[in-house]
Amino acid sequence: DTAVSQTPKYLVTQMGNDKSIKCEQNLGHDTMYWYKQDSKKFLKIMFSYNNKELIINETVPNRFSPKSPDKAHLNLHINSLELGDSAVYFCASESQGSTEAFFGQGTRLTVV
Amino acid sequence: AQSVTQPDIHITVSEGASLELRCNYSYGATPYLFWYVQSPGQGLQLLLKYFSGDTLVQGIKGFEAEFKRSQSSFNLRKPSVHWSDAAEYFCAAVGAGNMLTFGGGTRLMVKP
Repeated sequence: DTAVSQTPKYLVTQMGNDKSIKCEQNLGHDTMYWYKQDSKKFLKIMFSYNNKELIINETVPNRFSPKSPDKAHLNLHINSLELGDSAVYFCASESQGSTEAFFGQGTRLTVV
Repeated sequence: AQSVTQPDIHITVSEGASLELRCNYSYGATPYLFWYVQSPGQGLQLLLKYFSGDTLVQGIKGFEAEFKRSQSSFNLRKPSVHWSDAAEYFCAAVGAGNMLTFGGGTRLMVKP
């Protein structure tokens, strides 16, 4: 009954590949996020998405794209992976009007 | 620009000693403030949050934080640290735009 779940937990892939990370929340939240945590543990928001609006951090390359098949899911697609994409990616969700975000366990992406 | 700063990258304390982790924010108006903990290989868990009212906030695992408007600070404290408290601690804020912004994190190490 995990609130926010991400798959896979670990992902190792070669440069140039296209990969996806899935995120699902069973909290009935309206808004979902993707964060990137770099090797120095710095957390940076990548996307904020609800059923009305996608907000993109302008520093995120357009190789990254969120896809939301429904309100409970926000998947992260990454095209043409680069070495610098290696990081831990966190999905989070929150209810509209709330400011408390619930985080998934993270996906450690390693690009070789 | 809105920002959250954690001045201490690493802190080492002895088990049983008291702990204070510093957090400063720079926002036009007082944001909502949070402390999260990230254990090794794990996701982020909310320890406590401040929205308004009493400036001393109690959280889980025996943690508390005090909001000081005059110092733009929201420091995390614990009277007696346990070895299981060793983790990465993140201060975060939500202001205009409703995006959760994290500080750089403080790694806590606990000596036996």
